[in-house]
Amino acid sequence: NAGVTQTPKFQVLKTGQSMTLQCAQDMNHEYMSWYRQDPGMGLRLIHYSVGAGITDQGEVPNGYNVSRSTTEDFPLRLLSAAPSQTSVYFCASSTLRGDGYTFGSGTRLTVV
Amino acid sequence: TQLLEQSPQFLSIQEGENLTVYCNSSSVFSSLQWYRQEPGEGPVLLVTVVTGGEVKKLKRLTFQFGDARKDSSLHITAAQPGDTGLYLCAGLRPSNYKLTFGKGTLLTVNP
Repeated sequence: NAGVTQTPKFQVLKTGQSMTLQCAQDMNHEYMSWYRQDPGMGLRLIHYSVGAGITDQGEVPNGYNVSRSTTEDFPLRLLSAAPSQTSVYFCASSTLRGDGYTFGSGTRLTVV
Repeated sequence: TQLLEQSPQFLSIQEGENLTVYCNSSSVFSSLQWYRQEPGEGPVLLVTVVTGGEVKKLKRLTFQFGDARKDSSLHITAAQPGDTGLYLCAGLRPSNYKLTFGKGTLLTVNP
């Protein structure tokens, strides 16, 4: 089925470990983004990309890196995990018309 | 500072009742989107409104975009238990591609 695929679905990390959250879409969407969702805080934008080779920071970028080497993939890297990064992470994609995002099913990350 | 204020934050009603959820801002948006999210899943797009004063209907759901494109409302008629979920409004600013979300309204419809 066409859509946004996120892996893994669940992950537990120790403080200081690194990992990459994967995101892939097969709708040829130019725009891709990463959000984190925390209780009482809503969805907050981490990083976004408007095309291959182009990325920019969102509202809460510290501690996260991204790259966009292809239209389909937009991985999110945690360089040195901290407990404050415990959250549910969502990847979303859209056309540049901004007429509606398609979200992945999320990655639930716990940092201990 | 929350760019989009949603109210109420929580809503628990009986099946068959009507309800309205509000999404307000002091900023102008090029479009306003409504999503519904169920536990353990990502948000799913319900509707996008683009023109000031626009009204869109999706079965028992009615969405309205304010004339000044700063606010929106979602009205549900004769709510059903299947309407239970987190409703999120999100605004797209005219100057960039970033979508800003409200904190959501958690709706529970009791049988």
